[in-house]
Amino acid sequence: SQQGEEDPQALSIQEGENATMNCSYKTSINNLQWYRQNSGRGLVHLILIRSNEREKHSGRLRVTLDTSKKSSSLLITASRAADTASYFCATDNYGQNFVFGPGTRLSVLP
Amino acid sequence: SQTIHQWPATLVQPVGSPLSLECTVEGTSNPNLYWYRQAAGRGLQLLFYSVGIGQISSEVPQNLSASRPQDRQFILSSKKLLLSDSGFYLCAWSQGLAGAQETQYFGPGTRLLVL
Repeated sequence: SQQGEEDPQALSIQEGENATMNCSYKTSINNLQWYRQNSGRGLVHLILIRSNEREKHSGRLRVTLDTSKKSSSLLITASRAADTASYFCATDNYGQNFVFGPGTRLSVLP
Repeated sequence: SQTIHQWPATLVQPVGSPLSLECTVEGTSNPNLYWYRQAAGRGLQLLFYSVGIGQISSEVPQNLSASRPQDRQFILSSKKLLLSDSGFYLCAWSQGLAGAQETQYFGPGTRLLVL
């Protein structure tokens, strides 16, 4: 069964607004990672958050992790048209290989 | 700096034909290597991973195979393609512990269409 699932499946916002995407998973993890994929391209790593961390920041990105709820969120502040992409969370299962969720398709409208 | 290459970028093949996709990594040694497949509008499915030359682990049983003839070369093959093999194939590498312990770096992908 799928380990990580993003929510919502698709999100459309105006430029300048904040975008929040969520990821839920089923089993205990060592870490959780967020990746971005522009249409027809490879994935680009955004942030890795370990199971003993609760929040991490990178530029306009903020990731939280709640291991009690088995969920993570990715917040993009002050969104730009260039943020339009699909966003995936990837979870491990204590050292086993990644499981990627189906992704959230974010559209930022100018 | 490290770079990862995949080719071809796009491939159209008839059902029943063979397949060979190549992935090479530069600027690192002893990488962990991965092959993923992505169906249109979907997430990634791990197909194979390798922690060293000649060491291949398969995650999903299918008509695909993988080989690692050199440290930084990973090849995805099939003897006879099926329609269901169509998709976007991504190669990735990581350093250190295999699996999800470390960041994975992805290639640009190969879009395969089987007709």
